[in-house]
Formats: sequence, C-alpha cells, structure tokens
Amino acid sequence: KAGVTQTPRYLIKTRGQQVTLSCSPISGHRSVSWYQQTPGQGLQFLFEYFSETQRNKGNFPGRFSGRQFSNSRSEMNVSTLELGDSALYLCASTKGQGGSPLHFGNGTRLTVT
Amino acid sequence: GDSVTQMEGPVTLSEEAFLTINCTYTATGYPSLFWYVQYPGEGLQLLLKATKADDKGSNKGFEATYRKETTSFHLEKGSVQVSDSAVYFCALRAGTYKYIFGTGTRLKVLA
Repeated sequence: KAGVTQTPRYLIKTRGQQVTLSCSPISGHRSVSWYQQTPGQGLQFLFEYFSETQRNKGNFPGRFSGRQFSNSRSEMNVSTLELGDSALYLCASTKGQGGSPLHFGNGTRLTVT
Repeated sequence: GDSVTQMEGPVTLSEEAFLTINCTYTATGYPSLFWYVQYPGEGLQLLLKATKADDKGSNKGFEATYRKETTSFHLEKGSVQVSDSAVYFCALRAGTYKYIFGTGTRLKVLA
C-alpha cells in the first residue's frame, strides 16, 4: 500500500511570492492534516480536511490556506511568503475515525530567501 | 486547552542502556495517545499507540502505558541501539479530531 506522498520535496522561494504544496493520502483515507515543523516551534497544526471540508484550523494567519479534492488529495497554499515561513511542511492522512493514527509523508522543505 | 509536555532533550545514552522519555498530558475526556518517531530527513512514523486507560502500546521493543491517574504515557525501551537515534514525539488526539504534539525529544545512542 502506497504511503502518503508529498510534492515537491524541496522548494526555494523569494519573499512575497506564493507557493502551493501537494499531498496524496493513503488510499481510503479521507482526512488530511497539515503541520508546520520548525526547530523553534516544533510541530504546529495548520488545518485538517475531511471529505473536502475543513474540519479544524490551527492558529495561523489567513495567508495559509488549503483545500481537499474529491479524491482526498490536498493542497496547501501560502501567499505573500515571509522569511519565517521557512519550515518543513508535513502532511498526514488518517481514516478519520476514533483513535486511528496519523500517517505522515516525508514533508516539503520550504526555504524562503 | 489540551496539551502535551515531554522531557527536554537531547538524551544521550550508550548502546544497551535503558531508555525512558517522559510524557504527560492535559485533556478533557478520554484522548487516544501516541508516540511517533522521526528519523533525519523523514516525516513522522507511528511507533505505538494506546486508546484507553491501562492500555499498553508496544512496538520494536518500545513500550508505553496509558496512565489516567497520573495523565502520563512514558516511553520505555530496555536496551537501546544506535539505530534508535531519532526524535521522539508524544501526541494526543481528543474529540476535536485535532492532534496535539509535544515538542519532541532527541535521542542519541552512542556505540
């Protein structure tokens, strides 16, 4: 069974630009979550989608947005990039039920210069 | 609100030493509890989980017991190997479908 796939693995962008990251969940998983990981802040929850609806949202500015498609694939977008947005962005999928665990992709490393 | 607190790292041990990484949580209701491990350059992998009080999760020689009375879920391994060197995250999932992660504990095992 294929795991969670995130593309691209690495991105370098300039301040002020925008970026779109992609995530393909494990087949049959309907929930996709996004996390930002930085050395100083650890793992911070961005948002979670279930069946194309945003079910939960973390405490990030409106520059961070996401969506989920009918095939459960998800994208997140960051507009007007800032230097502080440099991080590892992790996507995770789950069946979305009870105590079902998260399954993570290997992440997209975003560097903003 | 819900939160997870785990011990600060880094933790440095010699091979075959006993490992404990402490984790305590605050949550309303009855959360599910997880330990995840992250190897360099990779995402997080589920190590073990427990969904109710007194459950013991175990995998690859690692164990953790869901202690409701002390709101703890400490990770233990009797004999660590160099290959166990990684960052370990304690996490909970409460009724809001949102996972809360601890800050991570880096483990370094020396040969």
